[in-house]
Amino acid sequence: EAGVAQSPRYKIIEKRQSVAFWCNPISGHATLYWYQQILGQGPKLLIQFQNNGVVDDSQLPKDRFSAERLKGVDSTLKIQPAKLEDSAVYLCASSWSGTVNTEAFFGQGTRLTVV
Amino acid sequence: QQPVQSPQAVILREGEDAVINCSSSKALYSVHWYRQKHGEAPVFLMILLKGGEQKGHEKISASFNEKKQQSSLYLTASQLSYSGTYFCGTDPYNTDKLIFGTGTRLQVFP
Repeated sequence: EAGVAQSPRYKIIEKRQSVAFWCNPISGHATLYWYQQILGQGPKLLIQFQNNGVVDDSQLPKDRFSAERLKGVDSTLKIQPAKLEDSAVYLCASSWSGTVNTEAFFGQGTRLTVV
Repeated sequence: QQPVQSPQAVILREGEDAVINCSSSKALYSVHWYRQKHGEAPVFLMILLKGGEQKGHEKISASFNEKKQQSSLYLTASQLSYSGTYFCGTDPYNTDKLIFGTGTRLQVFP
């Protein structure tokens, strides 16, 4: 079974530039999450999708971050403009829907460095 | 609201035991445990549910004290492969919207 795919693996940009990350979840997984993991900390949920609808985006800094999930499959997360404090690993995860308390499968993440 | 994990770091010899604790200030529906090796994706270990049900793959045991909003992960007869950072994710709303702790770094040496 193919896992959660993310690209790129690494990205270095200057502050005020824009960047986009891509995620392809496990086939059939209706729930998709984007997490931000700052070095030395646990993952922090940014946004949760159920199919192509947003379930929760309360912790997404909407003045600079946006996310979409086209056709309920792939998802992109964009930052525009980036700030130094956005340097982190951005993790995408997916899970079966229909019930809670299910395991999430994580991708390897995109490591973003803002200079 | 972020759960507190203790200890922050543990160093073990192969075969030794360890306990990792996770404590929340909020009432919880479930606690999820993940392990993350350096530079890799977090990997699911287990879920402990209110009421006593547990779901997991590996031969790792854990407990969940609902009244104290605490969970403990028990690593017995540790192996080199147990090395990594362990995160608990707490779910106070029964939505799988997890709040992760700051992690416990475990290193197992031969």
